[in-house]
Amino acid sequence: AQSVTQLGSHVSVSEGALVLLRCNYSSSVPPYLFWYVQYPNQGLQLLLKYTSAATLVKGINGFEAEFKKSETSFHLTKPSAHMSDAAEYFCAVGHQAGTALIFGKGTTLSVSS
Amino acid sequence: EAGVAQSPRYKIIEKRQSVAFWCNPISGHATLYWYQQILGQGPKLLIQFQNNGVVDDSQLPKDRFSAERLKGVDSTLKIQPAKLEDSAVYLCASSPGQGNLYEQYFGPGTRLTVT
Repeated sequence: AQSVTQLGSHVSVSEGALVLLRCNYSSSVPPYLFWYVQYPNQGLQLLLKYTSAATLVKGINGFEAEFKKSETSFHLTKPSAHMSDAAEYFCAVGHQAGTALIFGKGTTLSVSS
Repeated sequence: EAGVAQSPRYKIIEKRQSVAFWCNPISGHATLYWYQQILGQGPKLLIQFQNNGVVDDSQLPKDRFSAERLKGVDSTLKIQPAKLEDSAVYLCASSPGQGNLYEQYFGPGTRLTVT
């Protein structure tokens, strides 16, 4: 069985500060890992994905994530937060192409000026 | 390229009433998913279609929920009768099924409120 745990339901940072959103996964098979962002009243938009290639994955809007098998983690980072980054972020795991994703409960990112 | 379309965007019904949601996936996408997102939680799969066949409906409450995907394109999700706990956002997603196999593209969702 697969599962995802997002540590911290709410993260607050100042504009220009480092963003770190934590995600740990559990999977009995090699996982495929994803980060999605959801703005109010919108659907989910893919930020980045790990599919067993490079362990450091770069995504859109300056975000990146590193797959660490030994720590079963896939934390999302961005060096400098912008006000426009304020949204809900979801980590998700899948186990093969085309299967449905299992999502974490989400982390709300707030950015203050 | 047009994205995943869903309608209606919002729906308010009373418990025990029925409701239907519609999804039009990205053209050519073979795989279609319906997810339920309850407030404060991540999306949870209800049903997955590959073309017009069901791949996974293990988490669909079949006593009240039904879904179909006619001709492998559009899909409809129905709830009958609705319960208070069905209040949620219903997200439709589609995936190419080839090439970029891992991408799921989400629609804006339908927010259902059951009173």
